[in-house]
Amino acid sequence: QKEVEQDPGPLSVPEGAIVSLNCTYSNSAFQYFMWYRQYSRKGPELLMYTYSSGNKEDGRFTAQVDKSSKYISLFIRDSQPSDSATYLCAMNYGGSQGNLIFGKGTKLSVKP
Amino acid sequence: EAQVTQNPRYLITVTGKKLTVTCSQNMNHEYMSWYRQDPGLGLRQIYYSMNVEVTDKGDVPEGYKVSRKEKRNFPLILESPSPNQTSLYFCASSGAKNTEAFFGQGTRLTVV
Repeated sequence: QKEVEQDPGPLSVPEGAIVSLNCTYSNSAFQYFMWYRQYSRKGPELLMYTYSSGNKEDGRFTAQVDKSSKYISLFIRDSQPSDSATYLCAMNYGGSQGNLIFGKGTKLSVKP
Repeated sequence: EAQVTQNPRYLITVTGKKLTVTCSQNMNHEYMSWYRQDPGLGLRQIYYSMNVEVTDKGDVPEGYKVSRKEKRNFPLILESPSPNQTSLYFCASSGAKNTEAFFGQGTRLTVV
């Protein structure tokens, strides 16, 4: 079993839809959970990060972590065409063992 | 402006001809990494460095070298490139906890 699993999509939704992106992981030692957005031909950029379990909201984006289920989610409300990108989850142990482990990314397309 | 700068952005080379991809960051970050991104395989870490003169192998280090003589620079060296190293390469930097990694714009390398 891979450490981090992410459905690659592609996912196509109409403008204004609520989007749910998910990752599962196998290692319970992960402490930090992140979502990156990558536009075509660009480097990934950090959207949000969460420490341990719980929710975090930033505008139209909400990140959720459920450590008991080893499951993380990113919700996008009122999706816009400009949200069309590949979304990558990432996680690490924190501290001195700081290697980021990435999911393979989900390609999202928001149609006008 | 906080940034990670990679050069060159595009490179076509021949098998066996040594090349270096440079990476520089202006955020005084301790942690720097190199990744390659391939379709269907996602981001895979090649090498990382937790500080000056400290480097370590990631998941796919074969055929690559790195050095960290200064905090801001982390070049990636391919001593004898082969076609299977054709890929999109990203350099990233982050603070000590590696929770907010900043990525460069990428280097698209083709080895013929």
